[in-house]
Amino acid sequence: GAVVSQHPSRVICKSGTSVKIECRSLDFQATTMFWYRQFPKQSLMLMATSNEGSKATYEQGVEKDKFLINHASLTLSTLTVTSAHPEDSSFYICSALPGQNTEAFFGQGTRLTVV
Amino acid sequence: RKEVEQDPGPFNVPEGATVAFNCTYSNSASQSFFWYRQDCRKEPKLLMSVYSSGNEDGRFTAQLNRASQYISLLIRDSKLSDSATYLCVVNWGGKLIFGQGTELSVKP
Repeated sequence: GAVVSQHPSRVICKSGTSVKIECRSLDFQATTMFWYRQFPKQSLMLMATSNEGSKATYEQGVEKDKFLINHASLTLSTLTVTSAHPEDSSFYICSALPGQNTEAFFGQGTRLTVV
Repeated sequence: RKEVEQDPGPFNVPEGATVAFNCTYSNSASQSFFWYRQDCRKEPKLLMSVYSSGNEDGRFTAQLNRASQYISLLIRDSKLSDSATYLCVVNWGGKLIFGQGTELSVKP
């Protein structure tokens, strides 16, 4: 089946620094990828839709200047958490769909801890 | 109203029990529906797609009622390994919207 790879799986950073998370579709092209955030005991919340070759679409309440998304190729999207703070500590996960109404395939997730 | 709502959990059941999860969605234009399973601190994995005609995969049966905007998942003969969080997922316009998840704990 389709595979989506996310890296790194775990990162600890100091408050005020930036962290980049990569999401790759390994065996299909993804014009659209999605970024989610999950806090403990809560569901996945869609943060933004990453569109290849154009600007990302952010969900209400998500700061686009804080969560920078770049989708430069059909197989790679990156999420950069800028000037991270402890409240940004969370599980970040990407997904991609091979087709419009197909199932989604998820990356392994990145557990971010900001100290 | 949340876009996708699920039964609150947790569900604590003995091995061998039958358990049912319910889910409602608000957007009538939703195009496809899924149940995902998420184990602790891991990414969600597809359990099954949900079709209007209903579908079954071993001990798992999923049903969709478009008129009522309602989705269900039935697990028969629960196993210890079924313990996880079950996520109801709705796709509209290519975006996947997740319910809050229902935690299932199967005890010996």
